[in-house]
Order: sequence, then C-alpha cells, then structure tokens
Amino acid sequence: AQSVTQLDSQVPVFEEAPVELRCNYSSSVSVYLFWYVQYPNQGLQLLLKYLSGSTLVKGINGFEAEFNKSQTSFHLRKPSVHISDTAEYFCAVSETGGYQKVTFGTGTKLQVIP
Amino acid sequence: DSGVTQTPKHLITATGQRVTLRCSPRSGDLSVYWYQQSLDQGLQFLIQYYNGEERAKGNILERFSAQQFPDLHSELNLSSLELGDSALYFCASSVLAGVTDTQYFGPGTRLTVL
Repeated sequence: AQSVTQLDSQVPVFEEAPVELRCNYSSSVSVYLFWYVQYPNQGLQLLLKYLSGSTLVKGINGFEAEFNKSQTSFHLRKPSVHISDTAEYFCAVSETGGYQKVTFGTGTKLQVIP
Repeated sequence: DSGVTQTPKHLITATGQRVTLRCSPRSGDLSVYWYQQSLDQGLQFLIQYYNGEERAKGNILERFSAQQFPDLHSELNLSSLELGDSALYFCASSVLAGVTDTQYFGPGTRLTVL
C-alpha cells in the first residue's frame, strides 16, 4: 500500500525568502506524484505532477519539485515566496498500475510573513 | 473558478438523517471523483465514476453511495449520518479516467452533523 508523509504541519517564512515543503512517500511499485494547493475556503488546485522523465518538475506560480527515487522524496520549492502563496499544500501519490487511487498527505500550511 | 460546481455550499443536519450532495463537472469532463476532508482523517478519496460507471473505490463507507447520471452530473448520498461524518466534501472532474489526467476541484460542500 502507498502512503505519503508531510513532515511539517506548518511552515512560516518571510516574504521573498525561499521555501521548501517536504514530502516523502512509500510504495512497493512505481508511482506518480502530485502537489496540490488549497487556498482558504477553496477547493484544491494542481500545482505540478511527476509522471515520468525529468526528475525536476516545474509547476504553476513559480513552484518546482524534484523527484528523488533513492530517498523516496518529492520536495516542493520556491525561490521567493509572496504573501499570496499563503495556503495549505498537499503532496499526493498514486501507484502507476491498478486502480490508480490517489493518497494524500496531511498537508503543510505555508504562512508567508510580510 | 475551476468550472466544477457543487451544491449546496453548506448543509446542517442531524444524526441519523440522509443527505444528497450534487456535483456538476466541467463541460466535456467524463470522470467525477468524490473526496472527504476532515480534521481527523485528512483528505481521503471516496469514489470515482467515469462516463456513468464506477471506476475506482476508496475509503467509502457502506452508508455512503454515489452515482453518475447520463448528463454526467454526480450525486453523493450519505445516510444514517453520524457526528463523525461532519466534513468538507469535494467533487473533482477530469476529461479521462486515469490518475495522470488533471483533476479540477469544486469549492466543496461543508456538511455539519449535529
């Protein structure tokens, strides 16, 4: 069975500083990986996804993530955050075969401090 | 605006009751997914329908059921409600059935069981 661990429940960071949100996954087979963002009182929005190929994935709003198979990680990064990035971020995993059900992490709340 | 609509926005009901949540996917999308987001369980995949047929099942309780109609809208029925069913219920849609297809989330229905 697959699982996702987001190590930090909250990450405060000053505006224009870089940020990294950590995500580790567990699976016995190959996986697809996703990052979603949830702004207050809204549904989720896909930031980026890793399906195959290049391990560095670029997404919307200046975010990127790097798939590291040996460390089973898929950390999300942004070189300079804005106030508008304040939101909750969810990492998710799906096995590439079978029913491809998505399992979400518990989320990391990013608080950007002016 | 993702193009996915959900009604009602809020629902307050009592234990033991039955409710129906409705979702209209984006125009052209054939897949509909239902998710539950609660403080206790986090974000969980419940069930997926593709073009009217059940495609994948997640952690959906037997008291819950769903269907997708010929016009592709979907309903999630929750019966014998318990306090623990209080949560935010999201619907998402995608063009095709695979998990690699981008899912677009609706704004959610907040269910409160008293």
